[in-house]
Amino acid sequence: EIVLTQSPGTLSLSPGERATLSCRASQSVSSSYLAWYQQKPGQAPRLLIYGASSRATGIPDRFSGSGSGTDFTLTISRLEPEDFAVYYCQQYGSSPNSFGQGTKLEIK
Amino acid sequence: QLQLQESGPGLVKPSETLSLTCTVSGGSISSSSYYWGWIRQPPGKGLEWIGSIYYSGSTYYNPSLKSRVTISVDTSKNQFSLKLSSVTAADTAVYYCARHFKGWFDPWGQGTLVTVSS
Repeated sequence: EIVLTQSPGTLSLSPGERATLSCRASQSVSSSYLAWYQQKPGQAPRLLIYGASSRATGIPDRFSGSGSGTDFTLTISRLEPEDFAVYYCQQYGSSPNSFGQGTKLEIK
Repeated sequence: QLQLQESGPGLVKPSETLSLTCTVSGGSISSSSYYWGWIRQPPGKGLEWIGSIYYSGSTYYNPSLKSRVTISVDTSKNQFSLKLSSVTAADTAVYYCARHFKGWFDPWGQGTLVTVSS
């Protein structure tokens, strides 16, 4: 099973700043089969990015994904108040698919 | 738009079987493009994929849970279900159902908390 390690565990930033979240895989993720999700307290996760860099329907363009192989990044260009949440990466290139442990993005 | 809703008991006794159903609305579970999956999240922790099913009944499970999991589908009711046997406190979690498309999950149900306790 591919283990995904997200860093940092917690990221403290202010609205308007740029956020960079990392997801590192224990083995290469084939064909960049990596997704990112956002989860707010008491809510289900919401798909943001699939295929490492494709935005899901309705996701603002301030969210972008990049990377390949074992290193992937989610970037939020200018933080809005509603962006403070927990973010998870998921690889689906190898079975079983697996999730990272999450990065909490909190208001500084 | 597609919506998913989990239902089932919120409390299960240790060693018994957890049973949940996911009802799909706004679309057909029999679509040839999609699998349908279950994911869980222990309180305060991360996400774990449990397994997924195709409308034909074809399934695949997380090996870590495979010996205890059964996922089934009822196309006439537009539902799919999860059974997890021999539960322990470690199975206490919020259980989500979701559409499983090309590997990613979207959308998700709102989730249902299942507590394992006597």
